[in-house]
Amino acid sequence: SSELTQDPAVSVALGQTVRITCQGDSLRSYYASWYQQKPGQAPVLVIYGKNNRPSGIPDRFSGSSSGNTASLTITGAQAEDEADYYCNSRDSSGNHLGVVFGGGTKLTVL
Amino acid sequence: EVQLVESGGGLVQPGGSLRLSCAASGFTFSSYWMSWVRQAPGKGLEWVANIKQDGSEKYYVDSVKGRFTISRDNAKNSLYLQMNSLRAEDTAVYYCASYRCSGGSCYSDYWGQGTLVTVSS
Repeated sequence: SSELTQDPAVSVALGQTVRITCQGDSLRSYYASWYQQKPGQAPVLVIYGKNNRPSGIPDRFSGSSSGNTASLTITGAQAEDEADYYCNSRDSSGNHLGVVFGGGTKLTVL
Repeated sequence: EVQLVESGGGLVQPGGSLRLSCAASGFTFSSYWMSWVRQAPGKGLEWVANIKQDGSEKYYVDSVKGRFTISRDNAKNSLYLQMNSLRAEDTAVYYCASYRCSGGSCYSDYWGQGTLVTVSS
C-alpha cells in the first residue's frame, strides 16, 4: 500500500505562519485532506480537495499541493491550533479504494 | 446536528471477538460511504475499512483482512465492525467516520467520538 510521510513535530511562534508537509506517491494522483486532533478528542477535518475548508474552520488554514507533496499552512497561528495534524489520501496502489494516513505532525505554538 | 455514536468496545482476550456499532443521525446515512479508523494508544490514525452506500463494496487494510468484517444497515442508520481473532496489536480507539470523494480528494467530514478496544489476557 502507499505511504504518506510527515515530520513528527513542528513548532511556531504565536501569530506566525507555519507549514506542515505530507509526502507520498498517492499525492501525485489525489489531493490530500487534513485533520486536526487535540488530546482526547476525535479528529476534525480542516482542509480537503484543492483548498477547501469545511464550515467553521478559520480561514487561517489553507492547503496546497505540488508533485508528491501536500502542505497545510496556518497563517497567524493561535494557541488553540496546538494539536496533532494528519494528512490522508486515497490509496493509489492496488487497494485503490483504500485510504492511507500520514504518521502525524505534532504542532507546538510557542 | 450530525452525530456518530460508537459502542461495543471493551476488554477482550487474544483470539476473541467483538462487534462494534455506530449509530448515525443528522445526515442521510444511506448516501455516504462509511469508514472505520483506529488509533492505537499514543499512535497515529490508521484506516481500517470502507463500505459503499449499499454495502456492495468493502475494502480493508491488509492487517485485518480475513479477521474483520464491515457491514451496515441503512434502515437502522447503523454501521458495524465485526472483529474476530483479535490480537494485542488491535488495541486502539476505533472511530466511525463518513467517507466521500469529490474533486480528486477523498475525506471524512463526520467522525464519532470513538470506542476503546483493549485486547489483553
